[in-house]
Amino acid sequence: EAGVVQSPRYKIIEKKQPVAFWCNPISGHNTLYWYLQNLGQGPELLIRYENEEAVDDSQLPKDRFSAERLKGVDSTLKIQPAELGDSAVYLCASSLGTSGQETQYFGPGTRLLVL
Amino acid sequence: GQQVMQIPQYQHVQEGEDFTTYCNSSTTLSNIQWYKQRPGGHPVFLIQLVKSGEVKKQKRLTFQFGEAKKNSSLHITATQTTDVGTYFCAGRNAGNNRKLIWGLGTSLAVNP
Repeated sequence: EAGVVQSPRYKIIEKKQPVAFWCNPISGHNTLYWYLQNLGQGPELLIRYENEEAVDDSQLPKDRFSAERLKGVDSTLKIQPAELGDSAVYLCASSLGTSGQETQYFGPGTRLLVL
Repeated sequence: GQQVMQIPQYQHVQEGEDFTTYCNSSTTLSNIQWYKQRPGGHPVFLIQLVKSGEVKKQKRLTFQFGEAKKNSSLHITATQTTDVGTYFCAGRNAGNNRKLIWGLGTSLAVNP
């Protein structure tokens, strides 16, 4: 079974430029998460989807970040415009079910460097 | 807001020594999960604890969930170099909010 797929794996951009990350969750997983992880820190949730509905986006900086999961499968996270402080690893995870006890399976992440 | 504290932040051991990381929540948890992240890798699920006082073992790893469901520990017996990485606990609030709150992790280094 394929795991969570993310692309690109690495991205270098100049500040004020837009950037987008793509995630394809494990087949059949209805819950999808976007996390941000800074070096030496734990993952910080940006947004959680149950199917196509964003059920928790309280930590998403909505002035510059947006996300969508139009068909309840793959998802895109966008930053526009990027700032220097956005340099981090962006992790996507998925899980099966919505009971609150599910295991989260993480993708390899996208390492973003903003210059 | 709800916080999950993890100690120590770093631990450096000699191969063969034991290692323990502790996780404490400011609120009661419905369950707690443990993940391992190798350097340059992504978090990988290890285990989930749900019941008060629960103890689970995976080979040399022993996981405990406190009686009050507010703390947890991971103990590794006789560490090996393959145990190197950062161990995260992630607790889920016992209330209606099912958000998973992550600790900052404990980074383990093992000298061969």
